Amino acid sequence: AQKVTQAQTEISVVEKEDVTLDCVYETRDTTYYLFWYKQPPSGELVFLIRRNSFDEQNEISGRYSWNFQKSTSSFNFTITASQVVDSAVYFCALSEAPQAAGNKLTFGGGTRVLVKP
Amino acid sequence: GAVVSQHPSWVICKSGTSVKIECRSLDFQATTMFWYRQFPKQSLMLMATSNEGSKATYEQGVEKDKFLINHASLTLSTLTVTSAHPEDSSFYICSAPRTGTIQETQYFGPGTRLLVL
Repeated sequence: AQKVTQAQTEISVVEKEDVTLDCVYETRDTTYYLFWYKQPPSGELVFLIRRNSFDEQNEISGRYSWNFQKSTSSFNFTITASQVVDSAVYFCALSEAPQAAGNKLTFGGGTRVLVKP
Repeated sequence: GAVVSQHPSWVICKSGTSVKIECRSLDFQATTMFWYRQFPKQSLMLMATSNEGSKATYEQGVEKDKFLINHASLTLSTLTVTSAHPEDSSFYICSAPRTGTIQETQYFGPGTRLLVL
């Protein structure tokens, strides 16, 4: 069975600080996909990134960066120079392959990020 | 881009009544849709997989007679909460995968908040 663990339930930072969200996963599949979603207070999930299990290259997109380490089954997410608008709940998720689009997602428990001005 | 809509966005009903929630893919066809439930300050839990033209597949512990799913067309799936009770109050989110996309693999609806009095 698949499992996603986000050990941090809540993180509070002051604006402009960096914040790193941890995600550890378990799966028996050799091919899988990992995701990060943002859920603002409105409730709608906002897609941030998808990474497949064969691509361990780290990625940076603006103030966001992701560190995927297959050896430790981790897919951590960092927000650099946080802003108040980053306040939200962030979910890490895992899906089976090969049809990443058509498979159900297993979500982690979520990490609530509060950025104070 | 692809959009998934849900209707209604929120609903309040009396205990014992039935509530229907619609999930539509607006500019693409989806043979599969997923229904998730999210209780306050908790993660998203998959309830069932809706399959166009066939029966839905329910996750363990989800009562199929209580949560009726109908995927009547390639763009519409409905979730009916029958004989709703206060413990069914939750945030219900659907998702529809779009095959062939490079970046995002599943599109989530904005969610439906259900409050059963």
